Amino acid sequence: SQTIHQWPATLVQPVGSPLSLECTVEGTSNPNLYWYRQAAGRGLQLLFYSVGIGQISSEVPQNLSASRPQDRQFILSSKKLLLSDSGFYLCAWSPPPRGYQETQYFGPGTRLLVL
Amino acid sequence: SQKIEQNSEALNIQEGKTATLTCNYTNYSPAYLQWYRQDPGRGPVFLLLIRENEKEKRKERLKVTFDTTLKQSLFHITASQPADSATYLCAPWGRREGAGSYQLTFGKGTKLSVIP
Repeated sequence: SQTIHQWPATLVQPVGSPLSLECTVEGTSNPNLYWYRQAAGRGLQLLFYSVGIGQISSEVPQNLSASRPQDRQFILSSKKLLLSDSGFYLCAWSPPPRGYQETQYFGPGTRLLVL
Repeated sequence: SQKIEQNSEALNIQEGKTATLTCNYTNYSPAYLQWYRQDPGRGPVFLLLIRENEKEKRKERLKVTFDTTLKQSLFHITASQPADSATYLCAPWGRREGAGSYQLTFGKGTKLSVIP
């Protein structure tokens, strides 16, 4: 069966510090991968998605970037965190091809607090 | 612009009653719509998918309807239990207005509390 891992679970970082959140999926090949942010009282905001290694699409211009160095690894990064980057970050995967009954399976999330 | 509205932020019902959650969308023609459950501090979990040519879908105590004329989906939980308390998200899948890409877009959710 497929599983999705995210780490760390919780992170407290000072403003201006770098960020690296990692997500890995097991038990599937060539998954579509997604990064979402969920701010308090707000809905899920799609940040990035990837349909393959090295292929990243950005949905919202911002202070963050994403990379997919391996088929089942997705990394969310920032060079300098802002206060507004605080939130609950969720990684998700869906079976290929993208869009076909695109049920998404979410990881446990990373709660990021920028101080 | 494209908008997804879930009827209320919070809904309280008595145990054993039927909970009905509403999802309305505008400027959007989704090919299908999904419902997810999210517990506090956790990622959403997929519950049901309904296609645009389906009127109704059932799974155990859950029922979803999809009215493309009204641009609305209703999510019902019959014989509700305290364990059903969670936030429920609707997620239509379609093309974002003004963009070429198709994607799953999530509503803000309705927090359901089932009172014993």
